[in-house]
Amino acid sequence: DTGVSQNPRHKITKRGQNVTFRCDPISEHNRLYWYRQTLGQGPEFLTYFQNEAQLEKSRLLSDRFSAERPKGSFSTLEIQRTEQGDSAMYLCASTLAGSSYNEQFFGPGTRLTVL
Amino acid sequence: AQSVTQPDIHITVSEGASLELRCNYSYGATPYLFWYVQSPGQGLQLLLKYFSGDTLVQGIKGFEAEFKRSQSSFNLRKPSVHWSDAAEYFCAVGTSKAAGNKLTFGGGTRVLVKP
Repeated sequence: DTGVSQNPRHKITKRGQNVTFRCDPISEHNRLYWYRQTLGQGPEFLTYFQNEAQLEKSRLLSDRFSAERPKGSFSTLEIQRTEQGDSAMYLCASTLAGSSYNEQFFGPGTRLTVL
Repeated sequence: AQSVTQPDIHITVSEGASLELRCNYSYGATPYLFWYVQSPGQGLQLLLKYFSGDTLVQGIKGFEAEFKRSQSSFNLRKPSVHWSDAAEYFCAVGTSKAAGNKLTFGGGTRVLVKP
């Protein structure tokens, strides 16, 4: 296993279009996170899954955003009716949540540009 | 709610010189602290972490960090910087396992290395 992968790496879209990103975590990891990083800022938490259950959503995640992890493996993040303010790097991370605290492993991110 | 402050947005250091990056955190419980590095176009790579025990922790690439509870700080250091250390560095605090182990990041410090 080569780590967390994200596709596409770059996405350019026009305002008002819908976009979907995919994250494939490390195979045995049961917890998956989404973060958003705008230019010049640190990543901000959006949401996370334990297996297929979405356990928490940040207030940053407006109604236009939806995330799924249907079989507890890969996850998708969809943004409907994109706005210019959605332009950012979207990062996915995964970890094996167990009895001890385990680090999160990050993917390379999907950079979204909304024109 | 937890927060992380990295007071220095940019730091320029000469190759071979020492480096110290500052990080202050706010968290109501025992903090789980991390330093990540991000190179251009790359995801986040974990440099080191502190959960408990010895307050001086060693990481990869010759980095170390010291946890000072009285100052709510977790500063990152490297005795001799290499040109390849030019990158952006993020300090983060993690919530408890029960709260989802979510990460809150600082705004980052960009390190430039002069030859």
